[in-house]
Amino acid sequence: DSGVTQTPKHLITATGQRVTLRCSPRSGDLSVYWYQQSLDQGLQFLIQYYNGEERAKGNILERFSAQQFPDLHSELNLSSLELGDSALYFCASSVATGGYSGANVLTFGAGSRLTVL
Amino acid sequence: GESVGLHLPTLSVQEGDNSIINCAYSNSASDYFIWYKQESGKGPQFIIDIRSNMDKRQGQRVTVLLNKTVKHLSLQIAATQPGDSAVYFCAEFTGTASKLTFGTGTRLQVTL
Repeated sequence: DSGVTQTPKHLITATGQRVTLRCSPRSGDLSVYWYQQSLDQGLQFLIQYYNGEERAKGNILERFSAQQFPDLHSELNLSSLELGDSALYFCASSVATGGYSGANVLTFGAGSRLTVL
Repeated sequence: GESVGLHLPTLSVQEGDNSIINCAYSNSASDYFIWYKQESGKGPQFIIDIRSNMDKRQGQRVTVLLNKTVKHLSLQIAATQPGDSAVYFCAEFTGTASKLTFGTGTRLQVTL
C-alpha cells in the first residue's frame, strides 16, 4: 500500500456522462498530481495542486477539471465523456512543490480504471 | 493500475542475467531523471533517481547512467529476478515547469 488512496478502482459509464474520481494523498503530502495512462500515450500529466491551489497544468482537456480540498484530498471531474477517455487515471502525491529532491518523490496510487462505452 | 495492454517495447531476460533498459529524453533543461517500476495492478513505484549534474548513481541491485551528450538514460538491474517483471518508465523533472514527464515505458519479462 503506497498510502495514496484512489476511488473508485473501476468505473464503467456511457458516452456523454460525467464522473468524479477521488484521491486521498499520503499523510503529510501537500501536492497532488493527476496522470492519465492510455494504451497509445503512456502516462500523461494532467494537473497538479499544492495545498489547495493549482500549480501546474499539463494536457488536460477543457471537459476535465480538478480541485484540491482543505483536507488535501483531490477530485478529478471528467464530463461529456468520450470513448477516447477510457484510460487509467492515477493520482500521485508528494511533500512539496516547485522543485525536485529526494524528499519530493511522487508516490502513486493504484489508479482508477475508467471505461466509457 | 494495470499496465497490461500498453503497446510497449519488450525486453526479455533470463533470470540471473543483468538487464539494461534504455530511455531517450528530450529536454536538456531537465533537472532530475527518475526511474519508475509499474507492476500489474499497481501504480508506478519509485526505483531510483539521478540529478542532472551526475552521470551515475547506484542503488540496491540497480544502477542508473546518464549521458547528457546524447540525452540518454539507462537503468541496469543486476541478477534479474522474476519479481523484476514489470513495465519500467523513465521520467524527467523540469523545475521551471514543476512537473514530471514520463517516457513511453519498456516491459521487462524475466524468463526462468
